[in-house]
Amino acid sequence: DADVTQTPRNRITKTGKRIMLECSQTKGHDRMYWYRQDPGLGLRLIYYSFDVKDINKGEISDGYSVSRQAQAKFSLSLESAIPNQTALYFCATSGLKQGVGVQETQYFGPGTRLLVL
Amino acid sequence: AQSVTQPDIHITVSEGASLELRCNYSYGATPYLFWYVQSPGQGLQLLLKYFSGDTLVQGIKGFEAEFKRSQSSFNLRKPSVHWSDAAEYFCAVVGSGGYNKLIFGAGTRLAVHP
Repeated sequence: DADVTQTPRNRITKTGKRIMLECSQTKGHDRMYWYRQDPGLGLRLIYYSFDVKDINKGEISDGYSVSRQAQAKFSLSLESAIPNQTALYFCATSGLKQGVGVQETQYFGPGTRLLVL
Repeated sequence: AQSVTQPDIHITVSEGASLELRCNYSYGATPYLFWYVQSPGQGLQLLLKYFSGDTLVQGIKGFEAEFKRSQSSFNLRKPSVHWSDAAEYFCAVVGSGGYNKLIFGAGTRLAVHP
């Protein structure tokens, strides 16, 4: 089984709709992240969470919100989707507070491809 | 501010040829450096990482990378490319200490000719 899973894998929605992307992990990591990928721009950080009670905005958080329901679950919501939110979304985790570089090494889910019409 | 530059957007090589993908970073303190690969329709897989010590690091799938502090570079290499290496490759940097964010380059798309 995959360590980091994302649902759905593909989603088509209409402008103005609210949607939620979900991420679950079985790695036991305390840190979780949401990124979006656009062609030619690499990955950009939307939100990150260092534990259940700690949530932080990334570089492109406008139009998005997140919820850390448990250590293993981190959801991304688009309250009112717009076409320029069409992208590939990745969840990532990193973790335990031991060892050199452990916290910095991120492991990615398979991605959710979102199309907003 | 931290940044990562991958100067080559697309690279095409013949199967069996050697490969070098360039990565330059900007970071004032000790960087932690990563290379990830994204195969078509897949997520990102960690190829290798550099934290400290030996500046030549070995990764999975026969890849290696060399950290050169004087050139602020972390180039990825493979001596003989296989058709299955066709993918997009991302270089990333983060500051040590665990409190900084991972910054990605824009990626290099590799095509492999038979």
